[in-house]
Amino acid sequence: GQNIDQPTEMTATEGAIVQINCTYQTSGFNGLFWYQQHAGEAPTFLSYNVLDGLEEKGRFSSFLSRSKGYSYLLLKELQMKDSASYLCAVRVNDYKLSFGAGTTVTVRA
Amino acid sequence: DAGVTQSPTHLIKTRGQQVTLRCSPKSGHDTVSWYQQALGQGPQFIFQYYEEEERQRGNFPDRFSGHQFPNYSSELNVNALLLGDSALYLCASRFGRTSNEQFFGPGTRLTVL
Repeated sequence: GQNIDQPTEMTATEGAIVQINCTYQTSGFNGLFWYQQHAGEAPTFLSYNVLDGLEEKGRFSSFLSRSKGYSYLLLKELQMKDSASYLCAVRVNDYKLSFGAGTTVTVRA
Repeated sequence: DAGVTQSPTHLIKTRGQQVTLRCSPKSGHDTVSWYQQALGQGPQFIFQYYEEEERQRGNFPDRFSGHQFPNYSSELNVNALLLGDSALYLCASRFGRTSNEQFFGPGTRLTVL
């Protein structure tokens, strides 16, 4: 089975930084994805890590440690529009993504 | 360039009925995956279609079946609906079986009464 854990909820203030952690234990590993999902909408791709280290893309950065089974998504300079669910997903083989339950981030003014 | 499209947007069925959901992949994509997302949960992998064949299946019963057509569009069929089948059904497409970039459609919200 696949076990992917992330916090249920996080709250932060506009302009602040939030770090969403994800730990995983899976039968295979071909990379880790982060998706953003606004309520009632489709998940949209944010980042992909397959090697250890930090990937930076604008206000969003993602980190991976394969030996620790750990990743985080860092959201900087938070904006109200960043209020959404953030999904951590592990690609366990060529075909399948296993998702965590998602972290709901609420940005307050 | 149209992204992934799904129909219908919303659907209400009763227990025991059958339902067919449809997906058209993003232009240029040939691989379609289906996911079920219950309220407050992450998407769960149902199966993937490539070259009109089911390539892998998640932990879903045989009541869930699918098809891919020569134009790469796909259908998800669910028979003998249960209350627990109520969920958002997401279709995702990509080019090739192994590419990393995968795009999700807006989903079909299925309610089983």
